[in-house]
Amino acid sequence: EAGVTQSPTHLIKTRGQQATLRCSPISGHTSVYWYQQALGLGLQFLLWYDEGEERNRGNFPPRFSGRQFPNYSSELNVNALELEDSALYLCASSAGVSYNEQFFGPGTRLTVL
Amino acid sequence: GENVEQHPSTLSVQEGDSAVIKCTYSDSASNYFPWYKQELGKRPQLIIDIRSNVGEKKDQRIAVTLNKTAKHFSLHITETQPEDSAVYFCAARGFQKLVFGTGTRLLVSP
Repeated sequence: EAGVTQSPTHLIKTRGQQATLRCSPISGHTSVYWYQQALGLGLQFLLWYDEGEERNRGNFPPRFSGRQFPNYSSELNVNALELEDSALYLCASSAGVSYNEQFFGPGTRLTVL
Repeated sequence: GENVEQHPSTLSVQEGDSAVIKCTYSDSASNYFPWYKQELGKRPQLIIDIRSNVGEKKDQRIAVTLNKTAKHFSLHITETQPEDSAVYFCAARGFQKLVFGTGTRLLVSP
């Protein structure tokens, strides 16, 4: 069974640009979660999608947004990039709203110069 | 809002010793408590979890205990090995989201 995949592995942008990160969940999983992990810090919850709908979002500004496609893959968009957006962005999936276990992807390392 | 505190932030032990990591949570409605291990440069991996209707769960050298009254839960690793060295995160699931602790860096010296 293939795990959660993310692309790209690394992304370098300059301040003010936009970044798009992608995630493919485990086959059969309908929920996708996005987390930000800044260097040396814990995981901060960003967004949760299930069945194409945004279910919850964390304490991040509106320039962090995303969507989930009919095949349950997901995209995270970060507009007007700031230096402090540099972090590892992790995607996780679970089998649905009633399932607790989340399985993580390898992450996308975003560097904002 | 929901908050999970995790202690200690770093823990150094000798191979064969036991290691204990403790977490407290604020949301009394939390009902699911997973622990993740993250090795350097790798993704977090679920190592054990416990639900609110259970007080203790064990899996080989790893055990987790939960005290719902005190809103505490702990990870116990016995007979530690160098490959246990990693950052460990606790988490608590409240209303529709998982809240993570700040992590504990465990170093097991041979």
